[in-house]
Amino acid sequence: QSALTQPASVSGSPGQSITISCTGTSSDVGSYNLVSWYQQLPGKAPKLMIYEVNKRPSGVSNRFSGSKSGNTASLTISGLQAEDEADYYCCSYVGSSTFYVFGSGTKVTVL
Amino acid sequence: QVQLQESGPGLVKPSQTLSLTCTVSGGSISSGGYYWSWIRQHPGKGLEWIGYIFYSGSTYYNPSLQSRVTISEGTSKNQFSLKMRSVTAADTAVYYCAAHDYGGAFDVWGQGTEVTVSS
Repeated sequence: QSALTQPASVSGSPGQSITISCTGTSSDVGSYNLVSWYQQLPGKAPKLMIYEVNKRPSGVSNRFSGSKSGNTASLTISGLQAEDEADYYCCSYVGSSTFYVFGSGTKVTVL
Repeated sequence: QVQLQESGPGLVKPSQTLSLTCTVSGGSISSGGYYWSWIRQHPGKGLEWIGYIFYSGSTYYNPSLQSRVTISEGTSKNQFSLKMRSVTAADTAVYYCAAHDYGGAFDVWGQGTEVTVSS
């Protein structure tokens, strides 16, 4: 099972919106509405930002939203802030043999 | 609120067994509410799911690591452990324990422990 494909980097100015894509196949992202997104600050553990494609855990800003179309899931950060500068990873359930696969990761830079 | 803390040696020799423990506070592995996983991150790289244990004792592993990995309950009900046999330099990584639902929403993470494989 290969890692899900994410762009290596995405950048934006404060206040702008950016979107990070996460591309899989019909066997993973396309088959299950079980995509989650994680924010990882330098030297820290990942933090769950979105689960089940578009649900936000309690305490996560509503500036973060998720969606999915076909084999590609997306994370949108609106009203970009300096504190959003981090690495972001997607993850998908891929069935009961391999279970979970993560994306390759995207570095978000706030210009 | 469940919290997790990894512990174990930071240096392991090649061909030996890597052993890590995750201590759960604010909850219990036997409560049934969570699945309990190990995840690793190679230096400067992405995340890789290693495997999980459920309160029933059932375990599932990443097929790419299955032949070398065992996840089990610890000596106390609030611990679970990872053993990875025959390690090489390619197993050098930060190892995280995490709690999640079946769908893979990993919502509780330990701080991570860095393991280096070197002679």
